[in-house]
Amino acid sequence: GNSVTQMEGPVTLSEEAFLTINCTYTATGYPSLFWYVQYPGEGLQLLLKATKADDKGSNKGFEATYRKETTSFHLEKGSVQVSDSAVYFCALSNAGGTSYGKLTFGQGTILTVHP
Amino acid sequence: DSGVTQTPKHLITATGQRVTLRCSPRSGDLSVYWYQQSLDQGLQFLIQYYNGEERAKGNILERFSAQQFPDLHSELNLSSLELGDSALYFCASSSGGVSNIQYFGAGTRLSVL
Repeated sequence: GNSVTQMEGPVTLSEEAFLTINCTYTATGYPSLFWYVQYPGEGLQLLLKATKADDKGSNKGFEATYRKETTSFHLEKGSVQVSDSAVYFCALSNAGGTSYGKLTFGQGTILTVHP
Repeated sequence: DSGVTQTPKHLITATGQRVTLRCSPRSGDLSVYWYQQSLDQGLQFLIQYYNGEERAKGNILERFSAQQFPDLHSELNLSSLELGDSALYFCASSSGGVSNIQYFGAGTRLSVL
C-alpha cells in the first residue's frame, strides 16, 4: 500500500536559516504529492503540490520537487521566519484505483523558528 | 478560511456515549473525507463519500459510521466511545480531478473522559 515517511522532528531553526524537511514515499502508479501545514489550533492548509514527475510546487517561498527516481518530495525554504513555525505534513494521493483520492500522510514535522 | 465548516469545535463526553460530528463542504464540492488525528496514530483516513455514496473506507472502527446527505453535508457518528477515541477529527472536501486538492475544516476536538 501507500506510505509516506518524513524526517523525524522537531526541527528548531533561527530566523533566516535554510530549511529542509525530507519526505519519501511508496506508492503504486503515479501519485500526486502535497505538503500541508498546520498552525497551532487550526486545520490543515495546502502549502504546495505537484502532480507529475519533475514538477516543482512552490508557495510563500517554500519549494518541493517531485523526484520519481528517488521517490522523494523534500520541502525547502531559503530563509525561514518566526511565522513559519508550524507542523508540516507530506502527503500523497492516488486518484485512480480503489484509493479514490484519499490522502496518506507522513507523521508530521514540528518546525520552531526562533528570532 | 477553507470554506469547510465543522461543528462543534470541541466535544467532551464520557465513555460509552455516542456523539455526532458535522461537516459542511465547500460550495460545489461533491467529495467529503473524514480523518482522525491522534498523537499515537498520526493522521489517518477514515472514510470518503462522493455525492451521497460511500466511496472508500480506511481504518474506521465498526463503532463509527458516517453518511452524506442530499445537501452534501456529512455526519460522522461515533458510538460506544472509549478513552482511545479522544482525538482531533477533520473533515475535508474536494471537487475531485487529477490533483484532488482537499480543503480541510478546523476540526472537532473530541475528549472522552
